[in-house]
Amino acid sequence: GDSVTQMEGPVTLSEEAFLTINCTYTATGYPSLFWYVQYPGEGLQLLLKATKADDKGSNKGFEATYRKETTSFHLEKGSVQVSDSAVYFCALSGGTGGYNKLIFGAGTRLAVHP
Amino acid sequence: GAVVSQHPSWVICKSGTSVKIECRSLDFQATTMFWYRQFPKQSLMLMATSNEGSKATYEQGVEKDKFLINHASLTLSTLTVTSAHPEDSSFYICSADPPSGAYEQYFGPGTRLTVT
Repeated sequence: GDSVTQMEGPVTLSEEAFLTINCTYTATGYPSLFWYVQYPGEGLQLLLKATKADDKGSNKGFEATYRKETTSFHLEKGSVQVSDSAVYFCALSGGTGGYNKLIFGAGTRLAVHP
Repeated sequence: GAVVSQHPSWVICKSGTSVKIECRSLDFQATTMFWYRQFPKQSLMLMATSNEGSKATYEQGVEKDKFLINHASLTLSTLTVTSAHPEDSSFYICSADPPSGAYEQYFGPGTRLTVT
């Protein structure tokens, strides 16, 4: 079945460091890919998305490119801030389960220190 | 933006009792809501899809008689954990499809259930 694998955390960085969180997926068809972020005490929020191969999603300085050849959707940010500390979830929809069902990775906790 | 609330945010109950969790879309109507379960340091796993005015669709392996879902209005879905056992202790999260669709879901903050 469809699945999402993302790197284990926690990831600990100093402020202004470069961030990469790896995400790979397995799915039939042409899924849409997402990054969600969960700040402490809050619900998941959509951070960015890409709906077809080679699309780049971007928001708040974060970027991810839908790479069909490597089945990847790695999250990057050039300079992280303390306020970016959160749990990040990679997800897909539109595989076997259909477009309204999200399949999530395990989540990666990011801690940014001043 | 679209806001989804959950109540309660945490609950402790005794084994054998039932617990109801509410999920509300505060500023939009949601014909479809979803219920997820999350174990510590694990993924969110979809339990069921809740459609207003009809029966919920449960994922394989989820006991529909144990996890009762009711979606009686366009802004409220409830999950009732019946005859709770310690293994039901988990973090339950709901989400809602906004009217615009477009693959996005809006998530509630989650409910921590502990069964003693």
